[in-house]
Amino acid sequence: KQEVTQIPAALSVPEGENLVLNCSFTDSAIYNLQWFRQDPGKGLTSLLLIQSSQREQTSGRLNASLDKSSGRSTLYIAASQPGDSATYLCAVKRRTTDSWGKLQFGAGTQVVVTP
Amino acid sequence: EADIYQTPRYLVIGTGKKITLECSQTMGHDKMYWYQQDPGMELHLIHYSYGVNSTEKGDLSSESTVSRIRTEHFPLTLESARPSHTSQYLCASSRGGEAEAFFGQGTRLTVV
Repeated sequence: KQEVTQIPAALSVPEGENLVLNCSFTDSAIYNLQWFRQDPGKGLTSLLLIQSSQREQTSGRLNASLDKSSGRSTLYIAASQPGDSATYLCAVKRRTTDSWGKLQFGAGTQVVVTP
Repeated sequence: EADIYQTPRYLVIGTGKKITLECSQTMGHDKMYWYQQDPGMELHLIHYSYGVNSTEKGDLSSESTVSRIRTEHFPLTLESARPSHTSQYLCASSRGGEAEAFFGQGTRLTVV
C-alpha cells in the first residue's frame, strides 16, 4: 500500500531564505511525482512534474529532485517571497495493477514567508 | 493552461436535497478524479474513472455517485445531502501513463 508523507507539516521563514520541502513515498511503482501549490480555499496549481526516469526538474526559482529508489523527493524554492505563502502538496501517480494511474497525495506542508 | 472547469464554485444547500457537482474538461483526457478535502486536511480520492463507462470508488468511502458517459464530463451526485457532506470537492483529469494531472478550482459545499 502506497503511503505519501510530507515533512515538515508547517514551516515559517523570513523573506529571502530558501525553502526545502520533503516528500517521501513507500512504493516505487510510480509513473511520476507532481508538486502542487494550494492557496486557502482554492484548487491546486501544478508547479513541477518529474517523471519516474528523471532525477530533477526546474522552473524559475523552483527545483525538484526525485530519488525513486529511496522514495524521496525534495522541492527547493530559492529566495522565498511573501507570495510563496501557501500549502505545498506532492502527489505520486501510481502504476500498480490495482491502482493504475491513481494520484495519491501527501498531507502537505503549510508555508508562511514573513516580510 | 488547464481547461478543467467545476460548477458551482460555492453551494449552500439544505439537508435532504439532491445535488450534482459538475466537472468538465476540454483536453480529451481519459482519466478523471474526484477528491474530497475538509478544511485544513489532506485530499482523499473518492472516485476515479479510467474512461467512458468505467468508474470505481477511491480510497475514502463516499455516499456520492459518479457517471462517465462522455469523455469530457464527470459529474458527482449526492442523492440526499447531509451536514457531514460539507467539504471542498476537487476534480482533476490526466492522460494515461506519465502525463501531468490538472485540477479544477473546486466546489465548496455547505449542507445546513
